[in-house]
Amino acid sequence: KQEVTQIPAALSVPEGENLVLNCSFTDSAIYNLQWFRQDPGKGLTSLLLIQSSQREQTSGRLNASLDKSSGRSTLYIAASQPGDSATYLCVCPSGAGSYQLTFGKGTKLSVIP
Amino acid sequence: SAVISQKPSRDICQRGTSLTIQCQVDSQVTMMFWYRQQPGQSLTLIATANQGSEATYESGFVIDKFPISRPNLTFSTLTVSNMSPEDSSIYLCSVATGVSNQPQHFGDGTRLSIL
Repeated sequence: KQEVTQIPAALSVPEGENLVLNCSFTDSAIYNLQWFRQDPGKGLTSLLLIQSSQREQTSGRLNASLDKSSGRSTLYIAASQPGDSATYLCVCPSGAGSYQLTFGKGTKLSVIP
Repeated sequence: SAVISQKPSRDICQRGTSLTIQCQVDSQVTMMFWYRQQPGQSLTLIATANQGSEATYESGFVIDKFPISRPNLTFSTLTVSNMSPEDSSIYLCSVATGVSNQPQHFGDGTRLSIL
């Protein structure tokens, strides 16, 4: 059974800092990994998707890496802004070939102006 | 990318009543799922909505409590039956195209409070 762990659970940084969010997963037979953002009381916004054959993906100030062999992914946010404040969720398929998803508990990020 | 409309966006219900949540997608999709997010928790899969057949439920979720319909490839409903305060959660639908390089998309969710 897939398990996804995110560290830290919460993070508070001053505006402008670069930061890294960590994710680990137990079943490395995944075909992709997604990072989502969730704002309070809102749905989920897909940020980045990394396919199993890729090592990283970039979108603007966001960079996500994937190391399947070690069961780890990181989300790097450059030059953080107060608008980045949200909960970031690491999400993996629940098993080989599955489109059902297993979610981490998230990292709650606060960027202080 | 698929655009998902979920209704209602929120509701406050009385104990013992039932509520049906609708999920409409602007294009045909292979897979639709229903998730629950309890307060302060992450998302948990309730079931996979199968077009033209009974939904596939995850451990801990049963059809009598969470009946699901999926009459076609763009629409699904989730009913939360005989509600109790423990059912107060956000319920979200998601869709997948079945192509591994495409992200799954989520509706904005239905925030449900049971009095």
